[in-house]
Amino acid sequence: NAGVMQNPRHLVRRRGQEARLRCSPMKGHSHVYWYRQLPEEGLKFMVYLQKENIIDESGMPKERFSAEFPKEGPSILRIQQVVRGDSAAYFCASSPLLGQNTGELFFGEGSRLTVL
Amino acid sequence: QQQVKQSPQSLIVQKGGISIINCAYENTAFDYFPWYQQFPGKGPALLIAIRPDVSEKKEGRFTISFNKSAKQFSLHIMDSQPGDSATYFCAVTGTASKLTFGTGTRLQVTL
Repeated sequence: NAGVMQNPRHLVRRRGQEARLRCSPMKGHSHVYWYRQLPEEGLKFMVYLQKENIIDESGMPKERFSAEFPKEGPSILRIQQVVRGDSAAYFCASSPLLGQNTGELFFGEGSRLTVL
Repeated sequence: QQQVKQSPQSLIVQKGGISIINCAYENTAFDYFPWYQQFPGKGPALLIAIRPDVSEKKEGRFTISFNKSAKQFSLHIMDSQPGDSATYFCAVTGTASKLTFGTGTRLQVTL
């Protein structure tokens, strides 16, 4: 049973370009979460999605950032017009159905974005 | 956003010693208090978690102590090993399994 798959693992963009990060949750998991980790800092919640629905985007910057989790295919975190401050590791996590809150999310290995 | 304060920021422990990491939270409406372990270049992984109606949970060398009245919980690593060298994050979780993490503790276990 494959874990949470993220790609690309490393991405380099120049200021003003777009970054697209993809996440395939674990099999059977219908909930996806995106977190951002700045160098030497903790993980900050960005957005929580179910299939075709954004449930909680309270941690996502209002501009330039968007996320989706379509009916088919991976979840995508999109950053438009990247700036140097967007350089970070972006982690995706998944969990199974609600009602099984055990404090456990299953994380991918992250996508490391570098903005030149 | 909910605050979770974690200390110390870094910790050096000799092999065989006890590592202790502390966390304090502000809100009481949480379901679980997990600890995550992260190795360099990897994603975090659940190490151990405790419910708020339990004061202590032990799994092997890892123990969580929970003080509900003080809104504090801590991770104890007994007989620390070099392989335990990693960054540890406490977290709180409420509705929808959303995790709010502490700032992390970088643990180094020396020989």
